[in-house]
Amino acid sequence: KQEVTQIPAALSVPEGENLVLNCSFTDSAIYNLQWFRQDPGKGLTSLLLIQSSQREQTSGRLNASLDKSSGRSTLYIAASQPGDSATYLCAVSAYSGAGSYQLTFGKGTKLSVIP
Amino acid sequence: GAGVSQSPSNKVTEKGKDVELRCDPISGHTALYWYRQSLGQGLEFLIYFQGNSAPDKSGLPSDRFSAERTGGSVSTLTIQRTQQEDSAVYLCASSLVPRGADTQYFGPGTRLTVL
Repeated sequence: KQEVTQIPAALSVPEGENLVLNCSFTDSAIYNLQWFRQDPGKGLTSLLLIQSSQREQTSGRLNASLDKSSGRSTLYIAASQPGDSATYLCAVSAYSGAGSYQLTFGKGTKLSVIP
Repeated sequence: GAGVSQSPSNKVTEKGKDVELRCDPISGHTALYWYRQSLGQGLEFLIYFQGNSAPDKSGLPSDRFSAERTGGSVSTLTIQRTQQEDSAVYLCASSLVPRGADTQYFGPGTRLTVL
């Protein structure tokens, strides 16, 4: 059974700092990996999707890397801003054998960026 | 529509009552997913719809849980004889490409509290 772990569970940084969020997964037979952002009372917003054949994806100040063989991904946030404060979730997609690719989520990293 | 919508946003019910949760996916998205997020737990996959059929129901926790989708659009998740352990945020997502092979767009969720 796929398990996804995110470290740290919570992180507090001063504004302007660069930071790295970590995600590890136990089964490397994944289809893709996604990073989501979750704000209180709101749903998840997809930030980056990395296909299993790719090594990284970039969007603005965000860069996500994937090392499928070692079961690891990192989300790098440059020049953090207070508006980046949210919970960041990592999810891996794998074929369930029951008709769909299921997402397995980590429990998230709660990020606080202090002005 | 502009995004995935869910109703109600909050639902408080008494143990033993039945509840219905509604999801309106993005127009044109044929794939629809239900997830559950319990306090302190990651998101758990419940069920996947492709059109009106549900080829993957493997995440439904018990036979008290059921879901249907009509017209390839709106979906309803029904929980019968609710228990306190059913308290959670229920999230719905939709995607354009079937089987979960691309980005899933999430609704804001329904927070269910069973007293």
